[in-house]
Formats: sequence, structure tokens, C-alpha cells
Amino acid sequence: QVQLQESGPGLVKPSQTLSLTCAVSGGSISSGDYYWNWIRQPAGKGLEWIGRIYSSGSTNNNPSLKSRVTISVDTSKNQFSLKLSSVTAADTAVYYCARDPGGRLLDYWGQGTLVTVSS
Amino acid sequence: DIQMTQSPSSLSASVGDRVTITCRASQSISNYLNWYQQKPGKAPKLLIYAASSLQSGVPSRFSGSGSGTDFTLTISSLQPEDFATYFCQQSFTFGGGTKVEIK
Repeated sequence: QVQLQESGPGLVKPSQTLSLTCAVSGGSISSGDYYWNWIRQPAGKGLEWIGRIYSSGSTNNNPSLKSRVTISVDTSKNQFSLKLSSVTAADTAVYYCARDPGGRLLDYWGQGTLVTVSS
Repeated sequence: DIQMTQSPSSLSASVGDRVTITCRASQSISNYLNWYQQKPGKAPKLLIYAASSLQSGVPSRFSGSGSGTDFTLTISSLQPEDFATYFCQQSFTFGGGTKVEIK
């Protein structure tokens, strides 16, 4: 059974960089044709896809977040990471990591981690 | 960009009711449409993929249909554990969600 677990600071100051890690267990992050995704959800609102990374390291990001997003993978630690730069209060949300087995569906999700942007 | 519009945004129903939620795409997306259920404080859970395929472990009272631009998620007989918010998803875009509440 694949499990994903997000971790990182719960509070980030405005203009700084948000950094989160998603640890994958129950399977190798580099095996199979999987994409590893980040999604976020502001309180009481809908879901927004942030971006994804393939095990090879190739990425796709949401154009609405422009060049603020960096997603990387560390196969030695079986985890992938998100960096979101120049954060504002609008970036306050629950951040989820999730697996896409191909076909752009998300079959395994982490429990989510709340990140608040505030001084 | 393709927009996904869900309706209604909320509904009230009773246990045992048949419930239908609609998702409309701004252009044809063939059958590339997935449905998720989200309960408060929890991550979304995949219910239906490719418009009509039931994810493993999901009860058979859930079904999906549609192709092109119009899609539906149907719960044939609403159970107490089905009160939640439901989202459709096409590629990198999610619908706005439908909250199913107890009448």
C-alpha cells in the first residue's frame, strides 16, 4: 500500500519561500510510470493543481503560478519536494501531495499539511 | 484553458435518495474526467476515473457517465457516510465542488 506524507513548516513569512517535502512509502518513487503531484486547497475553497514531476525529473507546473514553483525529486530518499517563492497571504492553504499513475488521475494522496503565510 | 463547471454547488438530500451531480467542460474532453469525494479535514479520495470506471474499493452505488462535455456522478442510494464534497477533475483542472448535505 503506497503512502504519502507531507512535511514542512506550518508558518512562512510573506515574500519568503515555502518548502515542503512528500515522503513516499510502500513503493519506489522511481519505479513505474508515475507522476508525483502537488495540489493545494485554501480553507473552504476548491482544489488547485500546482505541478508535478516524473521520476526522471521532468516537470509540469500550473501557468497561473508562473515561475514561482520548483518541484524536485530525491530518489535516494524516496521523496519529492515543492518550493514556492515570494509567497503572499493568498498562498495560505492545505498542501497535498498525490500520485498520478498515468491518465492524469490522482489515486493516492497525502493527508495534507496546512501552511499559513503571515508575518 | 479548459474550464470545469460543476452543478449544483450544494444540495440537501436524505439517506436513500438518488443523487446526481453534473460537471460540464468548456470544450470536449472525450472521457478524461475523474470524480473525487472529500470529507472535512481529509484528503480527496478517487471514486471514478475515465468518466465511468469505478476505482477499486469504491461502493457500487457510485457511478459515472458522460463523454465530450457533459458528465454526471450518480449515487444510487445515499448513505450516511456519503455526505461530503465531490469534485470533478480534468487533467490539471478541478471543478468547484458540490457539497452534499443532510436534509
